Amino acid sequence: KQEVTQIPAALSVPEGENLVLNCSFTDSAIYNLQWFRQDPGKGLTSLLLIQSSQREQTSGRLNASLDKSSGRSTLYIAASQPGDSATYLCAVDQTGANNLFFGTGTRLTVIP
Amino acid sequence: DADVTQTPRNRITKTGKRIMLECSQTKGHDRMYWYRQDPGLGLQLIYYSFDVKDINKGEISDGYSVSRQAQAKFSLSLESAIPNQTALYFCATSDSGGRGQETQYFGPGTRLLVL
Repeated sequence: KQEVTQIPAALSVPEGENLVLNCSFTDSAIYNLQWFRQDPGKGLTSLLLIQSSQREQTSGRLNASLDKSSGRSTLYIAASQPGDSATYLCAVDQTGANNLFFGTGTRLTVIP
Repeated sequence: DADVTQTPRNRITKTGKRIMLECSQTKGHDRMYWYRQDPGLGLQLIYYSFDVKDINKGEISDGYSVSRQAQAKFSLSLESAIPNQTALYFCATSDSGGRGQETQYFGPGTRLLVL
């Protein structure tokens, strides 16, 4: 069974810092990897989707990379802002049917 | 208005009661999903549906059932609720495009407490 791990579980950084969140998965046979953001009391919001044939995707200050062979993905956030404070979840689609296996998340706090 | 809505947003029930959580979407997507999230854990897939006549079990379907009443509506039922079903429940939708390309869109969640 696919297992998805995110380290660290929590991270606090001062505003303006660049930071990296990590995601690892045990089975490299995936269709895509997705990063989501979860705010308290709200649902998940999709940030980036990297297909298995891609190595990275960018959206604004966010850049996600994928190294399928080593079972790793990183989410890079540039020039962090207090509004970036949230829990970040990664998830992998192993079948192409969009049945996602989620990691446990990294809770990010950006201190003004 | 939100694209994916869930009702109720919060629910307290007692052990043994039957309850239903409802999900509606206005995105016109074929695929719908139910997940649960426990504190400190990631989301786990309960059931998913690719269209009105196609319903499939996820990782943790025991103790749950679903109904896809229409393309836009997908309900989750707990036939006889038990305390370890206390969790945050999310509904999600996605399009049925090419493999490996579909983003999921989530509702705001239903917080369920079973006493």
